[in-house]
Amino acid sequence: AQKITQTQPGMFVQEKEAVTLDCTYDTSDPSYGLFWYKQPSSGEMIFLIYQGSYDQQNATEGRYSLNFQKARKSANLVISASQLGDSAMYFCAMREVIKAAGNKLTFGGGTRVLVKP
Amino acid sequence: DGGITQSPKYLFRKEGQNVTLSCEQNLNHDAMYWYRQDPGQGLRLIYYSQIVNDFQKGDIAEGYSVSREKKESFPLTVTSAQKNPTAFYLCASSVWARNTEAFFGQGTRLTVV
Repeated sequence: AQKITQTQPGMFVQEKEAVTLDCTYDTSDPSYGLFWYKQPSSGEMIFLIYQGSYDQQNATEGRYSLNFQKARKSANLVISASQLGDSAMYFCAMREVIKAAGNKLTFGGGTRVLVKP
Repeated sequence: DGGITQSPKYLFRKEGQNVTLSCEQNLNHDAMYWYRQDPGQGLRLIYYSQIVNDFQKGDIAEGYSVSREKKESFPLTVTSAQKNPTAFYLCASSVWARNTEAFFGQGTRLTVV
């Protein structure tokens, strides 16, 4: 079974508008961490935002915010005021503790975002 | 400057040959990871290591091997048993704590002909 699911393979968004990228996850570890990364066409991985499973508040970093719904196992990324430079692949990731195997960091399949001028 | 270095950036190999991808970090991170990425796809975990001389299989370990003899280094060998090795390979490292992000190298693009 997929640990991290991103159901939107691709999205178009108009410049200056907001976009929401979906992410659902599955884990039995009560203390896990959720991350979002951006991958431009160059291939580098850029960390955007983090949410801990025990965090009461939704994480925010500049134009990025995370809509964390723990009961639904959902951690959607919201990008506000989209810019042309936001065009990239976006990945949701989860770090969980696997008994006797340490921290495992697993990624979803990604969502490609294209910002239109 | 601290960071993760993967080398080489591009690698070509003939089918049936083993090839080793290098990953070195000077961030003093305990955990290191190897991922495979196919075009337009997500990152799939090959192997990960929390400490020296210990590593765990990820989701697609078949046809790959690793070693962790030093904290700074986590080389990945793509063996001839890997049926479709052509892909983009990314190495990452992090501190052990769960609330810290992983840092990535620039990747190695392996093409087997």
